[in-house]
Amino acid sequence: AQTVTQSQPEMSVQEAETVTLSCTYDTSESDYYLFWYKQPPSRQMILVIRQEAYKQQNATENRFSVNFQKAAKSFSLKISDSQLGDAAMYFCAYRIPSGTYKYIFGTGTRLKVLA
Amino acid sequence: DAGVIQSPRHEVTEMGQEVTLRCKPISGHDYLFWYRQTMMRGLELLIYFNNNVPIDDSGMPEDRFSAKMPNASFSTLKIQPSEPRDSAVYFCASSLKALGTQYFGPGTRLLVL
Repeated sequence: AQTVTQSQPEMSVQEAETVTLSCTYDTSESDYYLFWYKQPPSRQMILVIRQEAYKQQNATENRFSVNFQKAAKSFSLKISDSQLGDAAMYFCAYRIPSGTYKYIFGTGTRLKVLA
Repeated sequence: DAGVIQSPRHEVTEMGQEVTLRCKPISGHDYLFWYRQTMMRGLELLIYFNNNVPIDDSGMPEDRFSAKMPNASFSTLKIQPSEPRDSAVYFCASSLKALGTQYFGPGTRLLVL
């Protein structure tokens, strides 16, 4: 069965510093998608970044980048130059590659940014 | 594009009342998903549609919950009768199969007293 694990319930980072959020997943598929979503206090689910498993290059979006290790089934999110507005819950998600196209979400990591 | 639109944003009702949540997906998207988020259970997929047809409703908690998608631009999630344990944030999301990314609406925060 496909699972997504976020082992860090909460993380803290000093403003302007870098933080890495961990995510591991389990699948027997070879082609799939992975995502990071941000949920600020407003509760809106905001897409941060996505990664296609067939791409070896790690995805980047401005201050956000991923370290995708396919063999290790690891998909960590790095936030550089952390800002107060980055404080939120972060969810890792795996998309089932065929048939249902459903997402499997991790339990989330709460990120606190300290001024 | 306006993104996924949900209404109402907040709903407070009394136990036993009918609740209807509404969603307008992004134009052109062919998949629509309904989720429920609670502290205890996290994000749960309730049901999803493809081209207006319900594909998988195995996440719907019980018969009190029903969902419809009468056309490509509108879906409803109905709870009848509502119970306090239904209190949660309900999200609607849509996606285009080819792209795979789900875009979420702002959610409806439901409180059943």
